[in-house]
Amino acid sequence: NAGVMQNPRHLVRRRGQEARLRCSPMKGHSHVYWYRQLPEEGLKFMVYLQKENIIDESGMPKERFSAEFPKEGPSILRIQQVVRGDSAAYFCASSPQILDFPEKLFFGSGTQLSVL
Amino acid sequence: QQQVKQSPQSLIVQKGGIPIINCAYENTAFDYFPWYQQFPGKGPALLIAIRPDVSEKKEGRFTISFNKSAKQFSLHIMDSQPGDSATYFCAASRGETSGSRLTFGEGTQLTVNP
Repeated sequence: NAGVMQNPRHLVRRRGQEARLRCSPMKGHSHVYWYRQLPEEGLKFMVYLQKENIIDESGMPKERFSAEFPKEGPSILRIQQVVRGDSAAYFCASSPQILDFPEKLFFGSGTQLSVL
Repeated sequence: QQQVKQSPQSLIVQKGGIPIINCAYENTAFDYFPWYQQFPGKGPALLIAIRPDVSEKKEGRFTISFNKSAKQFSLHIMDSQPGDSATYFCAASRGETSGSRLTFGEGTQLTVNP
């Protein structure tokens, strides 16, 4: 019973390149959430997705960032033309179809993005 | 109004001590208050959570105290152990999306010395 799987664990990009972060939710979970953690700060909500739908993207920067959760395959957080300020740990969480109990929200181990 | 303020930023106690971490919120619509524990290189893991209809919740050595009128809540760790050394985050969320959009505090780095 694998948990939330994120890959890669570490990603190094040069300024201007694209970063793709992947998240496979726990088995039986159809909701995915992305959070960003800057150094010495708490996690900040970015986006909430269900299969093929973006439910809440109020925490996403308006430019360069996008997220998807296709019918098949993992959720992808995509950052275009990365800048040094994008360097952070990006965490994915997942929950069952109905989040009636918030205690069923589980986080992955994160992807550490470093922009050179 | 969406902020959650957490203190202290770091805390050092001796084994057996009782570290206390405090959080304050502004949005009275928040109705779910979890605490997460994070070890280096790992994602946050839910430790304990409370809803505002109770003033205290205890699970093992971990206790949440909740003061609705003051809009504050705190985490107490009884008989702390070196293995409790980690970063602790308080969080809050509201309404039908409870747990889906969490507002986190800034975190407290706890060190428990042997």
